[in-house]
Amino acid sequence: GQNIDQPTEMTATEGAIVQINCTYQTSGFNGLFWYQQHAGEAPTFLSYNVLDGLEEKGRFSSFLSRSKGYSYLLLKELQMKDSASYLCAALDSNYQLIWGAGTKLIIKP
Amino acid sequence: TAGITQAPTSQILAAGRSMTLRCTQDMRHNAMYWYRQDLGLGLRLIHYSNTAGTTGKGEVPDGYSVSRANTDDFPLTLASAVPSQTSVYFCASSDSPQSTDTQYFGPGTRLTVL
Repeated sequence: GQNIDQPTEMTATEGAIVQINCTYQTSGFNGLFWYQQHAGEAPTFLSYNVLDGLEEKGRFSSFLSRSKGYSYLLLKELQMKDSASYLCAALDSNYQLIWGAGTKLIIKP
Repeated sequence: TAGITQAPTSQILAAGRSMTLRCTQDMRHNAMYWYRQDLGLGLRLIHYSNTAGTTGKGEVPDGYSVSRANTDDFPLTLASAVPSQTSVYFCASSDSPQSTDTQYFGPGTRLTVL
C-alpha cells in the first residue's frame, strides 16, 4: 500500500532550527511536496523536490533522498508565525498526491 | 484575484439531508479536486476533475457526487448525509492534471452532520 509517515507533533524554540522528517512508500514516484497549514486555514505550498538533494528557499529548505524514500523540511531562525502544521505529500505514478497526516509544530518563546 | 472560493464556510446538517458544497476558481485551472481532512489523517481525495466535462473518483468517493459543467465551478454534493461525513472539506485546483503542478486550496468548509 501507499503510506506517508511523519511525526505527529514537534516543539521548538523561537530562533532555533527544526527538522521535520517524512518517509514515504508509493507506487511510483513523481516528486514530494511540503505544504504549510495554519490552524483553521487552507494548506499553502512550500516546496517541491523531485531530484535528490537540498533545495533552499529563504529560511526553509527541503531535502529528498529517493533511494531512501525520505525527505525533510528544515526551518531556520524560527518565528512564532511558523507555528503550524506541515504536510508532506508524495506524488505517485498516477500523479495522485498521497498525503501524510501532518506534523504540528509548536514554537515556544 | 480571489483564487479559490468555497461556500458555505461552515454548516450543520441533519443526517439524511442533502447538501451541495460550492467551489469556484478564477485561475482558469484545468484540474480541480475535493478533499476531506479529518483529525489524525492526511487529506483524502474524494473526487477530481482533469478538465471541464470530466470527473473521476478518488480514494473515498462513496456518498459524494460532483459535476464539472465549466472550468470555474466544481460543486460537491452529499445526497443523504451521514455523521461520518462530518469533516473539513477543501477544494483545490492546479493548472494541469496529472502533473507536478502545485495545488492551490480554497479556505475550506467545516461540515457537521448530526
